Amino acid sequence: NAGVTQTPKFQVLKTGQSMTLQCAQDMNHNSMYWYRQDPGMGLRLIYYSASEGTTDKGEVPNGYNVSRLNKREFSLRLESAAPSQTSVYFCASSGQKTYEQYFGPGTRLTVT
Amino acid sequence: AQSVSQHNHHVILSEAASLELGCNYSYGGTVNLFWYVQYPGQHLQLLLKYFSGDPLVKGIKGFEAEFIKSKFSFNLRKPSVQWSDTAEYFCAVNGNTGGFKTIFGAGTRLFVKA
Repeated sequence: NAGVTQTPKFQVLKTGQSMTLQCAQDMNHNSMYWYRQDPGMGLRLIYYSASEGTTDKGEVPNGYNVSRLNKREFSLRLESAAPSQTSVYFCASSGQKTYEQYFGPGTRLTVT
Repeated sequence: AQSVSQHNHHVILSEAASLELGCNYSYGGTVNLFWYVQYPGQHLQLLLKYFSGDPLVKGIKGFEAEFIKSKFSFNLRKPSVQWSDTAEYFCAVNGNTGGFKTIFGAGTRLFVKA
């Protein structure tokens, strides 16, 4: 099992460009999450999907959109990147009952 | 609103020293509690968790944590740290009415000197 995979690992964007971060899990988990990690701020939830077909906003959703494509895949889109979105982005998934989360390797995004 | 506070942002210890990392949370209901660890260059992984039962929980690599409900605390401990414990540690809380939202603390960077 690969667990949670993310692509790309690194990305540099110019202000105003768009991109989609991809995430997939092979653990048959219902719930998936997108976080950003910034120094001294821990992980902040951007969006989550409790189950296939549903998505909800987290703490910091502005400037992002998500798509739960199917049970395995959950993508994060930046429509018009801004320097404030420079961060490390983590995707995670969890099973139905425990809320214990399994994380992907992260995407380091720089917006210039 | 739920919140998680980790007392120390940076901790430096020598090998064989004892470790205690503080974590306090703010939430009035039943909670699920977690400690995650992020080794340099790696993704987060679960260290230990508490859902119910014995408030002293043991995790991987000799770590343990104690849930003290009256103090809203879930401190992480290890009797003797090793150089390989150098990492960032995150406390996290999921409240039973928070559903799928888990709140993470800001993290504590631990550096263990060999």
